[in-house]
Amino acid sequence: DQQVKQNSPSLSVQEGRISILNCDYTNSMFDYFLWYKKYPAEGPTFLISISSIKDKNEDGRFTVFLNKSAKHLSLHIVPSQPGDSAVYFCAASAGNYGQNFVFGPGTRLSVLP
Amino acid sequence: KAGVTQTPRYLIKTRGQQVTLSCSPISGHRSVSWYQQTPGQGLQFLFEYFSETQRNKGNFPGRFSGRQFSNSRSEMNVSTLELGDSALYLCASSPGADTRNTEAFFGQGTRLTVV
Repeated sequence: DQQVKQNSPSLSVQEGRISILNCDYTNSMFDYFLWYKKYPAEGPTFLISISSIKDKNEDGRFTVFLNKSAKHLSLHIVPSQPGDSAVYFCAASAGNYGQNFVFGPGTRLSVLP
Repeated sequence: KAGVTQTPRYLIKTRGQQVTLSCSPISGHRSVSWYQQTPGQGLQFLFEYFSETQRNKGNFPGRFSGRQFSNSRSEMNVSTLELGDSALYLCASSPGADTRNTEAFFGQGTRLTVV
């Protein structure tokens, strides 16, 4: 049973527009969330994180929103650029030290020029 | 600053054999985590080592094991290989004790194919 779900396997967006990637989770003990980006033949790279004590975190063009009651988070990219085309993974962890994150299956974002 | 280095990049093994993968973290990083990535299951956490001790473990059978050396380099071993072990194995390093609240830096991975 997947504890972290990314229900859209792929998403296409026009350059300059907003990209919204969604992630849902089932484990109410999750209290820390991250987004990673992965290009082909490379390891994932960290994008942005959010703790459950916040509902929004912003870093440049990237904003993550957390809705704890809905067990939902989303990543907004504004404006989208062709270089943002990659697979985006949502990851979550529950209240302990360490890197045992549960990853979602990923969403492939294509930003069209 | 050198990144996370995983060796070898590609490996082909036969069912029943064992394999050892290596990961050198970023200099100064003390936490090393291992993940398995497959098309069907996505990225799954294997285990994490911090200061030569296994700190966290995922839901993988005992055939999967690891260790960390005093210089923070880590090895992962899979014994009695099965076809389903074919995957991309990713290693990630993090700097400090509370690695949960810091980003992890991933290597490029080792692509293991079991035939």
